[in-house]
Amino acid sequence: QITLKESGPTLVKPTQTLTLTCTFSGFSLSTSGVGVGWIRQPPGKALEWLALIYRNDEKHYSPSLKSRLTITKDTSKNQVVLTMTNMDPVDTATYYCARRYHDISTSYSSMFDYWGQGTLVTVSS
Amino acid sequence: DIQLTQSPSFLSASVGDRVTIICRASQGISSYLAWYQQKPGKAPKLLIYAASALQSGVPSRFSGSGSGTEFTLTISSLQPEDFATYFCQQFNSYPYSFGQGTKLEIK
Repeated sequence: QITLKESGPTLVKPTQTLTLTCTFSGFSLSTSGVGVGWIRQPPGKALEWLALIYRNDEKHYSPSLKSRLTITKDTSKNQVVLTMTNMDPVDTATYYCARRYHDISTSYSSMFDYWGQGTLVTVSS
Repeated sequence: DIQLTQSPSFLSASVGDRVTIICRASQGISSYLAWYQQKPGKAPKLLIYAASALQSGVPSRFSGSGSGTEFTLTISSLQPEDFATYFCQQFNSYPYSFGQGTKLEIK
């Protein structure tokens, strides 16, 4: 059974750094075609892709947030950590982590197939 | 960056209706497109990947089609549990952008 769960603070102050941890089970980040990504969703708004990391430490970031984001992994602990600096009230959102899977035997088969439940982070003084 | 535009943004329909949601990409993305369903307070759920492949466990009334820049998600006969918000997402190139969503409401 594959599960992911986000953890971290529910309230941060403006200018602070947010650190979120995604703890997963049922799969390994050492597997080919597997990555873990972060996606956020402000209340009532659309999903926004933030960052993604793979087994070989290949990382990708949203260009608009790249200067503020860092994604790291601890394969032995089955954890992926996202840090976002200089938090602002507009960063208030539910933050999700999700497994990115690509079946190399099937064309075009990239997807976020398993998601965590999400964690609401509010930025307020 | 690739922009995805969904239409319509809001859709009102009745149980039993056939509905279609469109997702247009600002440039060609082959078939690197997925569709998700999201209900209030819940994480998105994968419905379709590779533009037309049905994720395991998803009812066959859901189908996807398209390639290049225009894609569709069709629900053949709406069920009460299908009223939700639907998002498309492209995996052709980074950043992996999402559409703005289509909210499907009960008429």
